[in-house]
Amino acid sequence: DIVMTQSPSSLAVSAGETVTINCKSSQSLFGSVRQKNYLAWYQQKPGQSPKLLIYLASTRESGVPDRFIGSGSGTDFTLTISSVQAEDLANYYCQQYYDTPYTFGAGTKLELK
Amino acid sequence: EVKLQQSGDELVRPGASVKMSCKASGYTFTDYAMHWVKQSPGQGLEWIGTIIPLIDTTSYNQKFKGKATLTADKSSNTAYMELSRLTSEDSAVYYCARESLGVFAYWGQGTLVTVSS
Repeated sequence: DIVMTQSPSSLAVSAGETVTINCKSSQSLFGSVRQKNYLAWYQQKPGQSPKLLIYLASTRESGVPDRFIGSGSGTDFTLTISSVQAEDLANYYCQQYYDTPYTFGAGTKLELK
Repeated sequence: EVKLQQSGDELVRPGASVKMSCKASGYTFTDYAMHWVKQSPGQGLEWIGTIIPLIDTTSYNQKFKGKATLTADKSSNTAYMELSRLTSEDSAVYYCARESLGVFAYWGQGTLVTVSS
């Protein structure tokens, strides 16, 4: 199975700050046929279901604010949230869909400082 | 609007089985695969498996083979997951999620399963 390692596990921020969440996979998620990285990011607020933010490592889902930026390739990926807002306080998960079983990172909890 | 409506929370005895549902609306049910995901405090998010309703084909995470059984009813646009021989390790929230471009684009609200005597 592909292991997804997220860091940090939690992050305390003030509104307006820029934060970075890291995700590392145990093997490359780059597909040579389509030249894409099969990595997604989800946001989960307390008591809610996860919500898709980013797919193919850097493509924002429709309706997701442009302050959410996904980057990276191969085994190292990053979710950057610029100018964090109170509504962004949530858990964030990376997920690989390069191969089954699809696997998730353990999550990063974004909290208010 | 795509909507996945899951069945209500369940309290079940150890050793029993439970079957939960996920009713889809707002799209053509047979056009997309449906996945199931487990969320428990100790294990985070785990992919259980997927069903392609059009051809009734399933694929399971090896960890959940023998534990979960996925089915779909095309006549009612509903996906089902049955969990068998329940133990405390199966206590969790279970989500159905519709695939789009390989990712889980739409999620149900979740079904909480509590295994307790």
